[in-house]
Formats: sequence, structure tokens, C-alpha cells
Amino acid sequence: EVQLVESGGGLVQPGRSLRLSCTASGFTFGDYAMSWVRQAPGKGLEWVGFIRSKAYGGTTEYAASVKGRFTISRDDSKSIAYLQMNSLKTEDTAVYYCTRITRDAFDIWGQGTMVTVSS
Amino acid sequence: QSVLTQPPSASGTPGQRVTISCSGSSSNIGSNYVYWYQQLPGTAPKLLIYRNNQRPSGVPDRFSGSKSGTSASLAISGLRSEDEADYYCAAWDDSLSWVFGGGTKLTVL
Repeated sequence: EVQLVESGGGLVQPGRSLRLSCTASGFTFGDYAMSWVRQAPGKGLEWVGFIRSKAYGGTTEYAASVKGRFTISRDDSKSIAYLQMNSLKTEDTAVYYCTRITRDAFDIWGQGTMVTVSS
Repeated sequence: QSVLTQPPSASGTPGQRVTISCSGSSSNIGSNYVYWYQQLPGTAPKLLIYRNNQRPSGVPDRFSGSKSGTSASLAISGLRSEDEADYYCAAWDDSLSWVFGGGTKLTVL
């Protein structure tokens, strides 16, 4: 079964850091670009960023709201994508979803992990 | 304020056909594909339509997508109670970012 499982969410103070993990199974992880999408409580979806597969350079793109603070990386040997979040702000509070990208679509989604930024 | 514009709500009765619009610009919908996602209450989003009008395996043909210029639409025919959900449009923007619509809450009356 194709599956994505996020972990690492929790309560963190403003200005601190947190790293989320996305563990994939059921497909050849290294062949796919991976993305993170977040959803603030009661709000809509917001794209955070994505990382291309190694075949396309493994490069990253980010939303303006997180650029310079968030970093996406991947470990293809472990089938894990990471989202390193630094200098967290209260407005980063959201459920963070990991997604697989196929034909430019977010075709597989994880169940999400909640990140709460509060003092 | 979302880059793509959707109506906040839509409604219909069982069996009806409803459409949800999504408006963008030349840098996103106007020059790239449109995607639609369905989010049932309390669950993760699910891909509904890709590349303007293609349905992934398992998505009923009651769901259809279209695009014209800088706008797109999602149509749901033969409306069912289980279609009650939030629907989001999305597109790649030439500024090297993905953009979403604000979402449309569909109510089945």
C-alpha cells in the first residue's frame, strides 16, 4: 500500500525550531518529488515547498512565507522527506501534510501532523 | 488572501449538478494545468482532478473539470450526500510556486 506518514509535530515556542519527518512506503521514493502543504486551523490549504527527485537535481522551491526559515531535504536510502522549520512564528501553527508529486499533482497525502507555535 | 479565487460556499440537492469556479491569472491558470482536491471533514485532502480534466483511478465520472483562459471549473453531477466536503483548486505559478484557491464548502441539502 502506498503510504506517507508524518511525524515530529508538537508544541513549540516562537523563535524555536522543529523538524518534521515524512516516511514513505509502497513506492520507489527516490523517483518522486515530494512536497509539504499546511493548513491552519479552520483555514484553507497553503503550499509550503517541495523537493525534486535526484534525477532532477534534488533542488527545492519554497513559498515566500517560509523562504529562508524552512528547509526541505530527503534521504532516499530511508525513504524519508524532512521539513526543518526554524524561527517559528505563531502564524506557522497548522497541520502539516506531506504529499507525493506525480504528473505535477499532489497525488498521495499523509494524515498530517499538528504544529502549534505558542508561548 | 488566496492567489486563486473560489466562492466560499456552494450547495445543491441530491441528484443535482453543481459547479465550483476557480479564477486565477496568466501566470498560473492561464499558462499551467489546474488541479482539484476534495477534503472530507476531518481527513486529508484527496486528488480529484489533475491536468485540468483528468480523473485519477477510482474517482467517479460524476466529477469533471474544465479550463478556459484564466478560469477553471469543477462540476459534480448526480450530487450525493457523501460529496459534502471542501473543494480546492490549485495550479503551478510561473513564479515557481504552487498556489491554491481559498476553498469552497459544498453543502448537500
